[in-house]
Amino acid sequence: AQRVTQPEKLLSVFKGAPVELKCNYSYSGSPELFWYVQYSRQRLQLLLRHISRESIKGFTADLNKGETSFHLKKPFAQEEDSAMYYCALPAGGTSYGKLTFGQGTILTVHP
Amino acid sequence: DGGITQSPKYLFRKEGQNVTLSCEQNLNHDAMYWYRQDPGQGLRLIYYSQIVNDFQKGDIAEGYSVSREKKESFPLTVTSAQKNPTAFYLCASSTLAGTGEQYFGPGTRLTVT
Repeated sequence: AQRVTQPEKLLSVFKGAPVELKCNYSYSGSPELFWYVQYSRQRLQLLLRHISRESIKGFTADLNKGETSFHLKKPFAQEEDSAMYYCALPAGGTSYGKLTFGQGTILTVHP
Repeated sequence: DGGITQSPKYLFRKEGQNVTLSCEQNLNHDAMYWYRQDPGQGLRLIYYSQIVNDFQKGDIAEGYSVSREKKESFPLTVTSAQKNPTAFYLCASSTLAGTGEQYFGPGTRLTVT
C-alpha cells in the first residue's frame, strides 16, 4: 500500500535560518509527488510538484528514489512561511487522482 | 470568487443524527474528493468520484455516504454509524489529466455532541 510519512509534527526555526521539512514515501517506481500548504485562515493549496522542478516562494524539493524521500527545503525561512505543510502521493504514483497525504508538519518561523 | 465552495462553515449536531455537508464546484472538474482532517493524522480520503453517478470508497468510508448526481456537486452525508464524526471535512476537485492539482474548498467543521 502507498504510504507517506512526515516524521516531524512540529518544526520551529528562526527567520533567516534554513529549513527542511522531511517526507518519505513508499511506492515502487517513479512517483509524482506534491507538497501542499495551508496558511492560517486559508485553503489548502498546492505549493509545488516534483515534475515541474520549479522553485515556489523559495522552496525546492528533490526526489531521491534511493532514499524514497521528497524533502522540502528553503535556504532562508521567512515569517510568512509559517503554515501547515503536507506531502502527498497520487494513486499509482501518477500525476492525478486520489492523494495519499502525510500527517503534516506545522512550521513556525520565529522573528 | 468561484472555484469550490463548502457549506456551512460550522455545523453542530446531536449524536444519532445524520448530517449532510455540501460541496459545489464551478471549475468543470471531472473528479471530486472528500477528505477528513484530524490533528496529527493528516488528511484521509473518505470518498471520491471521477464521473457523474459513480464514486469509490476511500480509506475511511465507513459511516459515510455520498452522491454525484451532477458534475458540480458532491454532497457527503455523515451517518449515525460514524463512530467519531467530529472533525474538519475538506472537499476537493481536480481534472483527470494535466497537472493533477487538487483544488480545495474552505472546509466544514462538524461537531457532534
